[in-house]
Amino acid sequence: QQQVRQSPQSLTVWEGGTTVLTCSYEDSTFNYFPWYQQFPGEGPALLISILSVSDKKEDGRFTTFFNKREKKLSLHIIDSQPGDSATYFCAAGGNNAGAKLTFGGGTRLTVRP
Amino acid sequence: GGIITQTPKFLIGQEGQKLTLKCQQNFNHDTMYWYRQDSGKGLRLIYYSITENDLQKGDLSEGYDASREKKSSFSLTVTSAQKNEMAVFLCASSMGARAETLYFGSGTRLTVL
Repeated sequence: QQQVRQSPQSLTVWEGGTTVLTCSYEDSTFNYFPWYQQFPGEGPALLISILSVSDKKEDGRFTTFFNKREKKLSLHIIDSQPGDSATYFCAAGGNNAGAKLTFGGGTRLTVRP
Repeated sequence: GGIITQTPKFLIGQEGQKLTLKCQQNFNHDTMYWYRQDSGKGLRLIYYSITENDLQKGDLSEGYDASREKKSSFSLTVTSAQKNEMAVFLCASSMGARAETLYFGSGTRLTVL
């Protein structure tokens, strides 16, 4: 059972453009939604996270939006840079899940100069 | 800061062989995780542990055993290696017993001949 769905699987944007990644989830008890960034040969690292009490969180060029009614979240990267080329994972967790974090399938982003 | 150390970085085994992957963390974190990352797929939870000698099954625990004999270490055993489980195995840790920031190691790549 895939509880967190992520799209697209891969994406190419031009330098300076805006990247939009999306995720949807099924479990209405999820209340914590982090995004992780993974470069080749490395483990994922936390990029930004949002709690279900908020609908938007911004950190520099990265913004995550949360829509509780539609059970969707998105990650927007403005002024995308070649150094942003990586795989991005959304994830979800909640009180009922304890320490468990469920990850989406990932989006491989390529930013072309 | 701390670090997650996974050994070995590359593991090659024969089909049917029992193989062990090791993970050490010096964050003094309570919770540790093992995730499996297949090419083009997301991270799937195999086992996690919220304290020394605790073990909790994830979604993909069949065919694996885990051991948390010390707070700082968490090992994963592939009980009978199969060709279809060639993947990268990622260890992570987090501070408490609830879903929060995960710190990942750089992974062990398993190849089964």
